Amino acid sequence: EVQLVESGGGLVQPGGSLRLSCAASGFTFSTYTMSWVRQAPGKGLEWVSYINSRSSAIYYADSVKGRFTISRDNAENSLYLQMNSLRAEDTAVYYCAKYSTSYSFDFWGQGTLVTVSS
Amino acid sequence: DIQMTQSPSTLSASVGDRVTITCRASQSISDWLAWYQQKPGKAPKLLIYKASGLQSGVPSRFSGSGSGTEFTLTISSLQPDDVATYYCQQYSSYWTFGQGTKVEIK
Repeated sequence: EVQLVESGGGLVQPGGSLRLSCAASGFTFSTYTMSWVRQAPGKGLEWVSYINSRSSAIYYADSVKGRFTISRDNAENSLYLQMNSLRAEDTAVYYCAKYSTSYSFDFWGQGTLVTVSS
Repeated sequence: DIQMTQSPSTLSASVGDRVTITCRASQSISDWLAWYQQKPGKAPKLLIYKASGLQSGVPSRFSGSGSGTEFTLTISSLQPDDVATYYCQQYSSYWTFGQGTKVEIK
């Protein structure tokens, strides 16, 4: 059974940093592309970042480019999102999602809440 | 950037009704479109991939159609368990979601 478990969310002040983690199991993590998607409270879904299986292709949404860094450790079956210079508008539930062979997100974690507030 | 626009924003229908949600892309995306269902407090769930492919385990009352710029998600017979918000997503150029359609039971 595919499982994605996010952690690392919490309350952080504007300008602060946070590192999210996503622990994967139930599939061969090292062969799949992964992404982060976020959802602000009461709002819709927003794609944040993408990383392919070998970390050779990485993309970011314009809203986080230059502030967030996606990475992965295939030996540890883990995905990460380093978030710096956080703003109030980064407040959201952050989901990690597995990219399927049909080019959509076929499995999602339960999400971790990041709140940026003073 | 490709924009995705869903209609309606909210939909209220009776159990057993046929329900249709529309998603329009700001430019052609071929059939690079997915549909997701999200229940309150839960993660999104993939329903349809590549415009009309039914994800494994998804009930056959869900179907998708369309290509280019106009797409539809149809629920052939609305069930109480289908109460949720539905999102379309394009993956022709990066990844963009529609704003969501909330489906309620009348």
